[in-house]
Amino acid sequence: NAGVTQTPKFRVLKTGQSMTLLCAQDMNHEYMYWYRQDPGMGLRLIHYSVGEGTTAKGEVPDGYNVSRLKKQNFLLGLESAAPSQTSVYFCASSLFATGELFFGEGSRLTVL
Amino acid sequence: GDSVTQMEGPVTLSEEAFLTINCTYTATGYPSLFWYVQYPGEGLQLLLKATKADDKGSNKGFEATYRKETTSFHLEKGSVQVSDSAVYFCALSKTQGGSEKLVFGKGTKLTVNP
Repeated sequence: NAGVTQTPKFRVLKTGQSMTLLCAQDMNHEYMYWYRQDPGMGLRLIHYSVGEGTTAKGEVPDGYNVSRLKKQNFLLGLESAAPSQTSVYFCASSLFATGELFFGEGSRLTVL
Repeated sequence: GDSVTQMEGPVTLSEEAFLTINCTYTATGYPSLFWYVQYPGEGLQLLLKATKADDKGSNKGFEATYRKETTSFHLEKGSVQVSDSAVYFCALSKTQGGSEKLVFGKGTKLTVNP
């Protein structure tokens, strides 16, 4: 049972480059989320989706875009990476809006 | 706005010691409260939850009671093990834009020594 899978696990970018993080879940969950985790900051919500074809902004959406073309996938894009986007990114999903989230293992992104 | 405040770590204990990690919250209405745990190199996992005042969540020997009068949800364990070494996050759920999402505390790192 794979649960929530994130790819890639690690990536190093140069300032200005673009990339996409892929999150895939096999639990048929409606809700999906992207968080970033920074030292001393806890987790902050970037974007979320309440179902296929929907996306919405979270707490720190600037510099990121997302898409949910298929129910099982939630993509996070960086169009022009900046050093401030160096972080660990976590994808999560949930069946209902109850706060019970299932997390992926994280993707560590470094922007030089 | 809604927020969660956890005791700052790191916390270092010896095996079999008693653990308390304090968590207080600020929220309108009646949020649900959660503790998540993150083991080294892994994503977060739900540890326990409580959905209304005076509820007690429990799992793997950990407990937390939803105290509305003190707006607290402190995590406790009577006897910690080395395998409990992890980062613990307190969180509350809030409704925003028709969806319910989590607000996390900053996390408390626990190290248990043998």
